[in-house]
Amino acid sequence: DIQMTQSPSSLSASVGDRVTITCRASQGISNYLAWYQQKPGKGPKLLIYGASTLQSGVPSRFSGSGSGTDFTLTISSLQTEDVATYYCQKYNSAPLTFGGGTKVEMK
Amino acid sequence: EVQLLESGGGFVQPGGSLRLSCTASRFIFSRYAMSWVRQAPGKGLEWVSSIRGSGTTTYYADSVKGRFTISRDNSKNTLYLQMNSLRVEDTAVYYCAKEVADAGGWYVDYWGQGTLVTVSS
Repeated sequence: DIQMTQSPSSLSASVGDRVTITCRASQGISNYLAWYQQKPGKGPKLLIYGASTLQSGVPSRFSGSGSGTDFTLTISSLQTEDVATYYCQKYNSAPLTFGGGTKVEMK
Repeated sequence: EVQLLESGGGFVQPGGSLRLSCTASRFIFSRYAMSWVRQAPGKGLEWVSSIRGSGTTTYYADSVKGRFTISRDNSKNTLYLQMNSLRVEDTAVYYCAKEVADAGGWYVDYWGQGTLVTVSS
């Protein structure tokens, strides 16, 4: 099975900072990659699918890139409401494996 | 907006059984694949199982294969997860999720709020 590795596992940044989270697949998955945001006590929320397509209603400060095995989620200017844990997930075929998550905190 | 409401969680002893339900609304349920995803306390997300819209095709994580069964009743807009031979490590919040097709793959676009399953003696 394909493994998904996220880094870093946590980060601390200030309001306005540019934040980058990476996700690596152990085998190529084309662009079948989604990113989710999860706040404490809540179900996850879809941010990006197809590696780079922004879900409707998601702020434009979020962006995704990559293809094959290496992917990136970028928050161009971190806001207080972006404090959350972020997960990548591959969806080309079952099992639909998630990355381990990246916890984003405010400095 | 899409609504997914899970129910059926609770406390069960190891070896026991539990059936989770997810009632869906505000979309045409039969047209979409559905999934269960779980999250152990303080841990990350783990995909558990998926089922296609017709109900004829199912997929399972190795960790639950042979113990869990996913099913759906499209006439009732309801998704189920029958969990047998439960283990302590099955303790988690279980999320119901709606999938959408994307050129051969299926990703989750909506999630429920989850139902907690606790397996303990």
